Amino acid sequence: AQRVTQPEKLLSVFKGAPVELKCNYSYSGSPELFWYVQYSRQRLQLLLRHISRESIKGFTADLNKGETSFHLKKPFAQEEDSAMYYCALSGQGGANNLFFGTGTRLTVIP
Amino acid sequence: GAVVSQHPSRVICKSGTSVKIECRSLDFQATTMFWYRQFPKQSLMLMATSNEGSKATYEQGVEKDKFLINHASLTLSTLTVTSAHPEDSSFYICSATPFHGGELFFGEGSRLTVL
Repeated sequence: AQRVTQPEKLLSVFKGAPVELKCNYSYSGSPELFWYVQYSRQRLQLLLRHISRESIKGFTADLNKGETSFHLKKPFAQEEDSAMYYCALSGQGGANNLFFGTGTRLTVIP
Repeated sequence: GAVVSQHPSRVICKSGTSVKIECRSLDFQATTMFWYRQFPKQSLMLMATSNEGSKATYEQGVEKDKFLINHASLTLSTLTVTSAHPEDSSFYICSATPFHGGELFFGEGSRLTVL
């Protein structure tokens, strides 16, 4: 069965400091991993997906199959990065049914 | 980006009544929509996959007779919570994609409170 684990419910960093939001997954096949973000009073939106290998808003995430991790990183946090971040997994190669982690609330302190 | 809209955004009902929540893709056609449930301070839990013109696929543990899903057109899926009880109070969110494997777009969510 699939599982997505985000060990930190809350994470606070100072503006300009590096930030890393952890995500580990469990899946028997080849999953597709995503990071979704939800800013205050807004809907969930896709931040990035591992197959795109792109940097969005300065965030990157590398899929580490050996460690079954997909940690989200940004070298210099900004106040506007404060939000709820969800790691999600999609199985069966291209299927859209997502399984979400419990989320990490990031607060960037000015 | 594509827009998915849910209605109503908030609904309060009495125990025993049924409540319908609509999910619409406003500027694209969605053969597949997804329904999630989110309890306070918890993650989104996938409830079911809604397929246009066919029966929904429910996740394990989700009562299909309790949560009726109808996907009558390429732009509309409805979730009906039948004979609602206080424990059904939750935040229900839908998502849709223009094509299989494409980016998912989420609705703003519907908060159901059952008295």
